[in-house]
Amino acid sequence: AQSVTQLDSQVPVFEEAPVELRCNYSSSVSVYLFWYVQYPNQGLQLLLKYLSGSTLVESINGFEAEFNKSQTSFHLRKPSVHISDTAEYFCAVIPSNTGKLIFGQGTTLQVKP
Amino acid sequence: DAGVTQSPTHLIKTRGQQVTLRCSPKSGHDTVSWYQQALGQGPQFIFQYYEEEERQRGNFPDRFSGHQFPNYSSELNVNALLLGDSALYLCASSLGLAGSYNEQFFGPGTRLTVL
Repeated sequence: AQSVTQLDSQVPVFEEAPVELRCNYSSSVSVYLFWYVQYPNQGLQLLLKYLSGSTLVESINGFEAEFNKSQTSFHLRKPSVHISDTAEYFCAVIPSNTGKLIFGQGTTLQVKP
Repeated sequence: DAGVTQSPTHLIKTRGQQVTLRCSPKSGHDTVSWYQQALGQGPQFIFQYYEEEERQRGNFPDRFSGHQFPNYSSELNVNALLLGDSALYLCASSLGLAGSYNEQFFGPGTRLTVL
């Protein structure tokens, strides 16, 4: 069975500081990897995804994530956060033989002024 | 181009009742997946519909059932509601079946409270 573990439930950080949200997964088959963001009282929005190719993927708002197959990780990073980045972030995988999105427990990013 | 829409936005029911939630997929999408997100948790996969049939199912009891209509919209039905069914129910639409990756677009969710 596949599973996703987000190692931090809450990450407080000051504005303009760098941040890393950690994600590890377990799977017996290859997976596609995702980060979703959920703002208060809203649905999930896709932030970025890794399907194949370059292991470093970037979003349009400055986030990036790197797929590390040997460590089965897909950590999310941003060099300088803004107040508006405050949200819940979910790491997720889709096993290559199914269409089921499997989510981690989520990490709350709290950006302080 | 309308995205994924869900109705109602909020719903309050009592234990033992039945509830129906509705989802309209993004234009051009033919696959609908449902997820349950309990407070403080990540979404859990309930099931997926394609061509009006349930194609995959997560670890949910038979009290959870669904339907997909010819226009690709979908319903989620929950019978004999329990307090633990209180959650945000998310619908996601995509194009095509499982086995090949197709991005899932999420609706805003329906907040179900069971008293």
